[in-house]
Amino acid sequence: EVQLVESGGGLVQPGRSLRLSCAASGFTFDDYAMHWVRQAPGKGLEWVSGISWNSGSIGYADSVKGRFTISRDNAKNSLYLQMNSLRAEDTALYYCAGGSYWAYWGQGTLVTVSS
Amino acid sequence: EIVMTQSPATLSVSPGERATLSCRASQSVSSNLAWYQQKPGQAPRLLIYGASTRATGIPARFSGSGSGTEFTLTISSLQSEDFAVYYCQQYNNWPLGITFGQGTRLEIK
Repeated sequence: EVQLVESGGGLVQPGRSLRLSCAASGFTFDDYAMHWVRQAPGKGLEWVSGISWNSGSIGYADSVKGRFTISRDNAKNSLYLQMNSLRAEDTALYYCAGGSYWAYWGQGTLVTVSS
Repeated sequence: EIVMTQSPATLSVSPGERATLSCRASQSVSSNLAWYQQKPGQAPRLLIYGASTRATGIPARFSGSGSGTEFTLTISSLQSEDFAVYYCQQYNNWPLGITFGQGTRLEIK
């Protein structure tokens, strides 16, 4: 059974940092690009960042460029998102997604940025 | 950035009828277009990729068409479990950017 399990979310003050993790199992993790997608409360989906299977290609949404850093550890079947200089508008449910044509999604971890 | 525009924002359809959802890209994305279904409290579910290929386990009543800038998701005979929000997504511009449409809410008429 394929599983993507996000962790690391929580309540954080503006300007602070948070690191999200995504643990993958049930598929060949290092065969696929992986992505972070977020969804603000009551809003639509927004792609945040993605990383190719070998970390050779990385992309970020303009809204997070320069503040967020994506990485992966294929030996640990894990995906990460380092989020710095957090803003109120970063408040959202953060999903880890990937696999063949993004077939696999986690259930998300909630990040709330508030003083 | 490639902007994806979905229409209508809300679609009211009776069970058993056909639903047609549209997605337009601000520039060509070839066939690099996917459709997702999202129900309240759940993660998105992949329905269609490559504009017209059904994902594993997706019923045949779901079909996708189009290429370039105009795309359509058709649900041929709506079942109760199909009422949800649907998103299109372009991945033609990876890794420079991936974008979702704003979603179409499919509700029971």
